[in-house]
Amino acid sequence: ETGVTQTPRHLVMGMTNKKSLKCEQHLGHNAMYWYKQSAKKPLELMFVYSLEERVENNSVPSRFSPECPNSSHLFLHLHTLQPEDSALYLCASSQLAGGPGFPHTQYFGPGTRLTVL
Amino acid sequence: GENVEQHPSTLSVQEGDSAVIKCTYSDSASNYFPWYKQELGKRPQLIIDIRSNVGEKKDQRIAVTLNKTAKHFSLHITETQPEDSAVYFCAASGGYGGATNKLIFGTGTLLAVQP
Repeated sequence: ETGVTQTPRHLVMGMTNKKSLKCEQHLGHNAMYWYKQSAKKPLELMFVYSLEERVENNSVPSRFSPECPNSSHLFLHLHTLQPEDSALYLCASSQLAGGPGFPHTQYFGPGTRLTVL
Repeated sequence: GENVEQHPSTLSVQEGDSAVIKCTYSDSASNYFPWYKQELGKRPQLIIDIRSNVGEKKDQRIAVTLNKTAKHFSLHITETQPEDSAVYFCAASGGYGGATNKLIFGTGTLLAVQP
């Protein structure tokens, strides 16, 4: 499959469960991102990985734990979530910017629709 | 902190009319402005982008304009068609000197094109 893929597409979990979201990119990119999309709110950047190193963590609660084992794969490990964490979680990838003045396009996956009961 | 405001939140037009969506950004160092289209149940997809060294860019029925002084940028869709109906997001990037793209998104505009 080409582009950016995410699994599962839908996930329902209880507050005491532990689950993981998976993202895979087939574009040869070297930067990957996790976003949270909630209704009537802008896309919120959660984590950024550059060459498998985390370079951005936007004050995300510790119940969300990212992992980037290589440049093609990105995980988001979830534990003891709250109902307000229900949202669409989007993964994206891009090439590293060609310097501070030359960012590259981000390509999004289809997202995982997460419901926390 | 960095912020992007987007207006209107909803826009309804008749097929064939033009649609304009406007965004303002707060970080004067931002230098890259993409627009994404998200159809219901689908992923956001880039439709056009503009960099700060350009004032206008056009791709068929879609155009984007940038006013760096006022920190405004706008999406213009001409001859709208029902398949243009979607949520459109603007974003502003750059300005923090890192090697990755930090995108700050607007809240989105739901465009409905009435046949």
